[in-house]
Amino acid sequence: DTGVSQDPRHKITKRGQNVTFRCDPISEHNRLYWYRQTLGQGPEFLTYFQNEAQLEKSRLLSDRFSAERPKGSFSTLEIQRTEQGDSAMYLCASSLNTLTGGTYGYTFGSGTRLTVV
Amino acid sequence: AQSVTQLGSHVSVSEGALVLLRCNYSSSVPPYLFWYVQYPNQGLQLLLKYTSAATLVKGINGFEAEFKKSETSFHLTKPSAHMSDAAEYFCALTGANNLFFGTGTRLTVIP
Repeated sequence: DTGVSQDPRHKITKRGQNVTFRCDPISEHNRLYWYRQTLGQGPEFLTYFQNEAQLEKSRLLSDRFSAERPKGSFSTLEIQRTEQGDSAMYLCASSLNTLTGGTYGYTFGSGTRLTVV
Repeated sequence: AQSVTQLGSHVSVSEGALVLLRCNYSSSVPPYLFWYVQYPNQGLQLLLKYTSAATLVKGINGFEAEFKKSETSFHLTKPSAHMSDAAEYFCALTGANNLFFGTGTRLTVIP
């Protein structure tokens, strides 16, 4: 397994356009997370999935943000009608969550850097 | 509520000197704690983690951290800094279903 993969690495878009990012987690991991990181800050949690179920989405920044994980494997994060304030690094992570042992091994991808012009 | 505070947004050390990056946490339950390193335009790489076993945790690249419950701290140390250690370092704490991160400490290593 090559770890968590994110695509694209960089995205430049014009304000008002929609963008979609993809994340491929480690195959054995059942949880997938999305984080946003702005300049000079630590990553900020957005949402997560357990298999295909999105169990937390209240931290998504606005209703312009949505995420899917249709088959419990890869995930997409979409931002509609992008704004300049959406410019950030979007990080994906995956982990293995067990019923008895908790969550182990958060592994992060290299991120997608979004620039809205 | 869970939170992490990293003291010092920038730390500079000379090559070969001790590295000390500070992290304090607040947690209503026994915490799992992590240190991650981030190089420019890269994702986060796990340095080490504390999961309630040994309080002194050894990680990669010669880093280690000590969990001190009485001080609610999890400071990161390395005896001798190397130029390749220059990066951003993040302390993190497990929440119910995610990680809470500190704001990061940028480490500069002076030749």
